[in-house]
Parts: sequence; C-alpha cells; structure tokens
Amino acid sequence: DGGITQSPKYLFRKEGQNVTLSCEQNLNHDAMYWYRQDPGQGLRLIYYSQIVNDFQKGDIAEGYSVSREKKESFPLTVTSAQKNPTAFYLCASSHVGGQGKHFGPGTRLTVT
Amino acid sequence: AQTVTQSQPEMSVQEAETVTLSCTYDTSESDYYLFWYKQPPSRQMILVIRQEAYKQQNATENRFSVNFQKAAKSFSLKISDSQLGDAAMYFCAYRSAVGGAQKLVFGQGTRLTINP
Repeated sequence: DGGITQSPKYLFRKEGQNVTLSCEQNLNHDAMYWYRQDPGQGLRLIYYSQIVNDFQKGDIAEGYSVSREKKESFPLTVTSAQKNPTAFYLCASSHVGGQGKHFGPGTRLTVT
Repeated sequence: AQTVTQSQPEMSVQEAETVTLSCTYDTSESDYYLFWYKQPPSRQMILVIRQEAYKQQNATENRFSVNFQKAAKSFSLKISDSQLGDAAMYFCAYRSAVGGAQKLVFGQGTRLTINP
C-alpha cells in the first residue's frame, strides 16, 4: 500500500536541543510539505519542496530547517531557535499541480 | 494573502440528522480550489470533498455536499444522515490555482459532535 510514514508518533525533547522529524512517502509524489498544528488553530505551512534538492519557506519557517536529498524523504529539523516547538507536525505529499494531497499520521513533539 | 475563516468552533447534531458547517474565504484570485478535510481523533487528515472555483455545480460525495457561493466567497459543507463516525474536526482549506505547489491555507476548524 502506498502512503506516508511519519516517525515517531510521539517525541519528547529538552529545551535547547535540535530534533529531526522523519517523513517518508512511497506514492512517487514530487512535492512534499510540512505543516504545524496548534490547539484551536488550523494547519500552517512550514516548508515545502516540489523537487529534489530544492525547497521553499512557508508561512512559519523561522526556527525550522529541511532537506530533500531523495524524492521519498523530506525530514524536518526543529532547531533550538524555534521559540514554541511543542506542537503536532503533519507531513504531506502530492503531485505537482495535482488535485489531491495525502497526509501522514503526524508526530506530536513535546519540548520541556 | 488569502484567508479562510470558520466561525463555528463547535457544532453538534443528532445522529441521522443533517448539519451544515460554514466557511468563508478572502481572495482576489478568480481561479482556485476549495477543500473540506476531516480530522478524526486519530489526527489523520482525510480529504472529504473538493470544489473547483470555475465549476458552478456544487460538489457532492455520497452524504457530503457543498454550497459554493463564489460571489459571497462562501463554501459550506452539508453532512446528511449524520453518523457517529462523522465526529471529527473539520477544516476548510483554500488553494490557489496559480503555480504547481499545492499550498493550502486552512481555517481554524470546527469540532463536530454526533449525539446518539
């Protein structure tokens, strides 16, 4: 079955540490995205990539970094510069110009 | 920049009844797409229905239908014959038709409760 895998489901880190969230897809999609979800708010776009070795900032990129070395993978690093990193993070993928977007199951990050 | 507003933080409906969730959006573009996503307690985002702005006909998917009013910039979701499995957060989302990247702008969400 094709789909998107995000691991781990729950992640705990101490303040001041960088942490990397994994996102892998086997849908052969060119485009991948990272969204952040906070309580009472909708999803907000962090970064997106339409092709390998290229990515663009979304609406809330500060304190985050990404890489796209392989078509299937789009890891997100939450750096110590992110002031409020505790949130639910969703990865998604789609064909460029396509009509539908597939979402992964998400990672809940808690930083204390 | 485009914005999406869902003015109903919470809604509830009796099982088997019909409920309508509201969504308004702001854009200066004429060509775009609108979506309703469902997020059940598992937190997996599931596409419920999609509407192309250039189509006048309202989209329908089984028990789910939309009322798309382009001039009013309104995009409501009607759920008929509500079922317990429909309980979830529902998000309205906008996507520009310009550019290949599917950058979605989401509303704040409406939590739907189904009463048995």
